[in-house]
Amino acid sequence: AQSVAQPEDQVNVAEGNPLTVKCTYSVSGNPYLFWYVQYPNRGLQFLLKYITGDNLVKGSYGFEAEFNKSQTSFHLKKPSALVSDSALYFCAVSSPYDYKLSFGAGTTVTVRA
Amino acid sequence: GAVVSQHPSRVICKSGTSVKIECRSLDFQATTMFWYRQFPKQSLMLMATSNEGSKATYEQGVEKDKFLINHASLTLSTLTVTSAHPEDSSFYICSVGAGGLDTQYFGPGTRLTVL
Repeated sequence: AQSVAQPEDQVNVAEGNPLTVKCTYSVSGNPYLFWYVQYPNRGLQFLLKYITGDNLVKGSYGFEAEFNKSQTSFHLKKPSALVSDSALYFCAVSSPYDYKLSFGAGTTVTVRA
Repeated sequence: GAVVSQHPSRVICKSGTSVKIECRSLDFQATTMFWYRQFPKQSLMLMATSNEGSKATYEQGVEKDKFLINHASLTLSTLTVTSAHPEDSSFYICSVGAGGLDTQYFGPGTRLTVL
């Protein structure tokens, strides 16, 4: 069975400060890891993914994430947060066997001006 | 990434009626689509995997006779909630598996309210 944990329900940062959203995972074999963002009453938007290769993955809107195999983590980061980054962020994991996504509970990010 | 649409975006129906939700892949031929359900302030739960030209694969605990899925073409999958009840009220989201299926692109979702 595969699973994802997002330990923080909420993250609050000031605009211009670094933003980090934490994620740890559990999966058999090599993980496929994803970050999605959801705005109110909308579907999910793809931010970035790690499949293989460089542990540091760069994605949309200035976001990046680092795959850490020893810590089974895939934290999302942005060096300088914007108010428009305020949204609900989901980490997800799948395996190459069936591509089914398992989502974390989500982290609500609030960036204050 | 793939562009995915859903229709309707919102639907309100009476208890006991059936509701059909459409999921369209606008720029990608999708042999596989996925249907999720999301309760307020909760995560997404995979309901079923929809395969073009064959039967859908349902997750454990999802009633296949209640949530009918049809994937008749490479661009359209439909989810029909039969004999809807208030507990079926939820946000239903579909996704398309693209780029070799390792990445899913999501539709905007459908808010179903059953009175």
